[in-house]
Amino acid sequence: SQQGEEDPQALSIQEGENATMNCSYKTSINNLQWYRQNSGRGLVHLILIRSNEREKHSGRLRVTLDTSKKSSSLLITASRAADTASYFCATDADSWGKLQFGAGTQVVVTP
Amino acid sequence: GAVVSQHPSRVICKSGTSVKIECRSLDFQATTMFWYRQFPKQSLMLMATSNEGSKATYEQGVEKDKFLINHASLTLSTLTVTSAHPEDSSFYICSARSERGVNEQFFGPGTRLTVL
Repeated sequence: SQQGEEDPQALSIQEGENATMNCSYKTSINNLQWYRQNSGRGLVHLILIRSNEREKHSGRLRVTLDTSKKSSSLLITASRAADTASYFCATDADSWGKLQFGAGTQVVVTP
Repeated sequence: GAVVSQHPSRVICKSGTSVKIECRSLDFQATTMFWYRQFPKQSLMLMATSNEGSKATYEQGVEKDKFLINHASLTLSTLTVTSAHPEDSSFYICSARSERGVNEQFFGPGTRLTVL
C-alpha cells in the first residue's frame, strides 16, 4: 500500500528557478529517501534522511524532515533542464528495509 | 560499485505464456531483494520481498501463484509472471539490499512487460 502522498503532482518551472515538492507519510519511520526517475527508466537514489535528522544537503538538493508532522520536503535549487524527471519519496519503516513509495511529483524544467 | 541489472529490459509476449525476469546484483551480495511494479504515470508498488534461500513474502493483494519469485543465490532473484494476461503489462523493477546495511538499497533499470 502507498505510504506517502506527494504534492504537487506536477510542477513546471524554468531553468534557474527552484523546485520544491512535499511528501507526507502515515506511520513512524526509520528513514526517508528521495529518488529520481527519468521516463521509462530505473530509480536513482538522491538522498537519505534519518528519522533523527531534520535537514540534509547534497549539492543542489536540500531535504527537510519533520517527524512531528510526518512530512518531508525536497528542494532543488537553480534547476536545470536535466532535472526534468519524476521524484518520489520513500519511507523505510521496518527492519527488512521495505520501502513504501509516495505518488511522485513530475517535474518539468524548461530551458 | 553497487550495480543491479535486470534482464530482459523489454519483453513482449502472448497472453497465456510465462515470462521470467532476472535481477542480479553485479558487484555485491544481496541478502534481500525486492520486486516492484509500476503502471504508467504511477508510483512503485511493492510486490514482494525475496530473501536468499527462503520463500518470498508477498504484499497483500499480490498473487503468489501468479508471480513466482525465486532467490536462489546471493546475487540472483527471478520473477516469473505465469500465464500472463494483458493486465499484467507493466514496468517491473527490482532492488537489492546490500549486506552492508539495511539502508543500502540499489535499484535495477526495470523491465517493460507487454502482454498482447
